[in-house]
Amino acid sequence: GAGVSQSPSNKVTEKGKDVELRCDPISGHTALYWYRQSLGQGLEFLIYFQGNSAPDKSGLPSDRFSAERTGGSVSTLTIQRTQQEDSAVYLCASSRSTGELFFGEGSRLTVL
Amino acid sequence: GEDVEQSLFLSVREGDSSVINCTYTDSSSTYLYWYKQEPGAGLQLLTYIFSNMDMKQDQRLTVLLNKKDKHLSLRIADTQTGDSAIYFCAERGAAGNKLTFGGGTRVLVKP
Repeated sequence: GAGVSQSPSNKVTEKGKDVELRCDPISGHTALYWYRQSLGQGLEFLIYFQGNSAPDKSGLPSDRFSAERTGGSVSTLTIQRTQQEDSAVYLCASSRSTGELFFGEGSRLTVL
Repeated sequence: GEDVEQSLFLSVREGDSSVINCTYTDSSSTYLYWYKQEPGAGLQLLTYIFSNMDMKQDQRLTVLLNKKDKHLSLRIADTQTGDSAIYFCAERGAAGNKLTFGGGTRVLVKP
């Protein structure tokens, strides 16, 4: 597609439920990133995929968070047993190798 | 680890110049970026500078980099109301695998 596409754009869930957030990167981009932006805060790095290399998971805040990237394209970020502090906007970005990052519009997660 | 700091808020009158400042700690930074985020939207890349440059100009935008002091600035000439947004600086380290972002500077342009 023309840009990075994320879904859902908004998700409201109850504490303890699992959620999945999807990212469809720009075609041909080999690198894919997930960031988290809490209200009024900067961007917190979560995870990075580059081609077929092992992902850099160093930013994942707990073992309730996981992500996969199937076929080198679409990625899913899964949060298990959601907590209220998980409420944030989850931003996905893609790039050509180590080039500029292009961001999607984000998935706003609200945990009640 | 890497750290990037920005001031929280800047107010400027329409038509004046805005200067947004950023400091970083990673001496091995390769590229430094400025992103703009409008309400409810994702981040839009405005401009970037390679670490071996000290200035880059792109229309109304001027980026200055002082690598010795690890200080980056973005100057917006003739600021317009449409420039009201949050501006993030970010740096890419030598490992090249992620960008580290500052907390963002909220710019408010007053008519």
